[in-house]
Amino acid sequence: KQEVTQIPAALSVPEGENLVLNCSFTDSAIYNLQWFRQDPGKGLTSLLLIQSSQREQTSGRLNASLDKSSGRSTLYIAASQPGDSATYLCAVPQTSGSRLTFGEGTQLTVNP
Amino acid sequence: DGGITQSPKYLFRKEGQNVTLSCEQNLNHDAMYWYRQDPGQGLRLIYYSQIVNDFQKGDIAEGYSVSREKKESFPLTVTSAQKNPTAFYLCASSGRQGARIYQPQHFGDGTRLSIL
Repeated sequence: KQEVTQIPAALSVPEGENLVLNCSFTDSAIYNLQWFRQDPGKGLTSLLLIQSSQREQTSGRLNASLDKSSGRSTLYIAASQPGDSATYLCAVPQTSGSRLTFGEGTQLTVNP
Repeated sequence: DGGITQSPKYLFRKEGQNVTLSCEQNLNHDAMYWYRQDPGQGLRLIYYSQIVNDFQKGDIAEGYSVSREKKESFPLTVTSAQKNPTAFYLCASSGRQGARIYQPQHFGDGTRLSIL
């Protein structure tokens, strides 16, 4: 059974800092890996989806990398801003297709 | 604007009561999902439906029921058999290409359920 783990559970940084969020998964036979953002009391917003054949995916100040062989993904946020404060979750689809297995999330606080 | 609408935003349940959470989408998506989120935990799948009049249990279906009578609607009932219903409930949807159902990328803003 696929298990997804995110470290750290919470992170607090000063504005302007570059930071890395980590996601690990136990079964490397994945189709893709997805990163989501969740604001307090809100639903999830999809940020980046990396296909299994890709190593990296970029969107603005966000860069996600994927290393299937080691079962790891990182989300790099450059020049962090207070508006980046949110919970970031990673998820992988189960081998049966559309069902996702989620990590517990990393709660990020960027202090002005 | 296309999207997913969940209602109500907050819901309170009395002992022994069934409550129903609404989820409506206007994205013309075939698949819809219900997730439960507890503090410090990731989302866990309750039920999902890939087509009208059909649905499957997820990882934590006990104490919940669903129906899918219309493509745009997927209500979730939290029954009195669910002994720990306090959580944040999220509905999601995804489209299809041919026989392949995409994974969920669109989520509603959730319903927070508490026990009175």
